[in-house]
Amino acid sequence: NAGVMQNPRHLVRRRGQEARLRCSPMKGHSHVYWYRQLPEEGLKFMVYLQKENIIDESGMPKERFSAEFPKEGPSILRIQQVVRGDSAAYFCASSRLSNQPQHFGDGTRLSIL
Amino acid sequence: AQTVTQSQPEMSVQEAETVTLSCTYDTSESDYYLFWYKQPPSRQMILVIRQEAYKQQNATENRFSVNFQKAAKSFSLKISDSQLGDAAMYFCAYRSARKSGGGADGLTFGKGTHLIIQP
Repeated sequence: NAGVMQNPRHLVRRRGQEARLRCSPMKGHSHVYWYRQLPEEGLKFMVYLQKENIIDESGMPKERFSAEFPKEGPSILRIQQVVRGDSAAYFCASSRLSNQPQHFGDGTRLSIL
Repeated sequence: AQTVTQSQPEMSVQEAETVTLSCTYDTSESDYYLFWYKQPPSRQMILVIRQEAYKQQNATENRFSVNFQKAAKSFSLKISDSQLGDAAMYFCAYRSARKSGGGADGLTFGKGTHLIIQP
């Protein structure tokens, strides 16, 4: 009974490198959401995707950040040319339908050296 | 834009006692969902309880219940018979019932309340 799976659990990158964060939704879930949590803060919505479509990316920074959810395979959050301010915990959530509760993964903690 | 406010950065309660965590929100919408999530030190986000705004009856889940006051835009969480395993950050969250982009499908979170359980 796998829940939302995120990997890696921890990711360390140097400034200027690329970070790729993966999320496999729960079985039967086709709606995926990405959130970012800065220290001492609540989660901030970034992007909402369904298979092969970005539905809402209103919370995504305009540059360096992109997300995809291909027909096959996990959803990917990609951060290009990382900077220190990208250090955070990134959470993925999934739901069966858009109006049903979102179930979260354990998050990926991204550290930028 | 919707906002969620949790005015208690930290709360402490004796084991077996009852504690109430407060949450207020601001919205111009009439149809929405409210949630409480728990985040223990493991960082996993666990759904505790959910409330639909159109329902007048307060949601309950075992030892967890809410006091939903729609007119006051208040959504407090009551934990009865507190247990050591309840120690965690608790986040209140709002989600619009409409589907029109602009972040409507994402959850809006408060900054959280750190709950400490005293043995």
